[in-house]
Amino acid sequence: SQQGEEDPQALSIQEGENATMNCSYKTSINNLQWYRQNSGRGLVHLILIRSNEREKHSGRLRVTLDTSKKSSSLLITASRAADTASYFCAGNQAGTALIFGKGTTLSVSS
Amino acid sequence: DGGITQSPKYLFRKEGQNVTLSCEQNLNHDAMYWYRQDPGQGLRLIYYSQIVNDFQKGDIAEGYSVSREKKESFPLTVTSAQKNPTAFYLCASSMVRGGGQETQYFGPGTRLLVL
Repeated sequence: SQQGEEDPQALSIQEGENATMNCSYKTSINNLQWYRQNSGRGLVHLILIRSNEREKHSGRLRVTLDTSKKSSSLLITASRAADTASYFCAGNQAGTALIFGKGTTLSVSS
Repeated sequence: DGGITQSPKYLFRKEGQNVTLSCEQNLNHDAMYWYRQDPGQGLRLIYYSQIVNDFQKGDIAEGYSVSREKKESFPLTVTSAQKNPTAFYLCASSMVRGGGQETQYFGPGTRLLVL
């Protein structure tokens, strides 16, 4: 019952480059959320985009949502070494719990 | 200081033993969740609760049990029936609006190891 599937599984870039991660989901959603996890730690919420929104920004983060394609993307601009982490998307349906994908592991080298 | 706490940070289980992981939140959130994470994998939902004295099974509930006697607390018991319990366990909480979950706030996790 996976409601979020990230692509690619792993991404390696240089500092200053942009990082784009994609997420696909299976059923209609109320909102889609992106989270970040540093190794061995809990997840931290990054951004929530509702089903009636198409794009949202937060600092260096830009999230898009295409409900017709059941997909979302997370763009991190001007990446830093501190952005190295795993990134997860999760779709939310009414009446059910959030279901997470397997994540994209981002490595940013200086 | 508002937040969600989990204890202990590390837990060792002997074969055949039941162990309980603690999760407490003071965010006044209605919903609480337990996830299991295996190395290099995503989160899999074990149990969740949207209201006191009520909870629902997630995808991998077998071998686990929970209780929700207080809004602030959602302990998870890993029973002897769970044959492969070694994993990182994450607890989370959220508000519930319009039947849907809002942002989830996560605890720091408990790493369970089998002796």
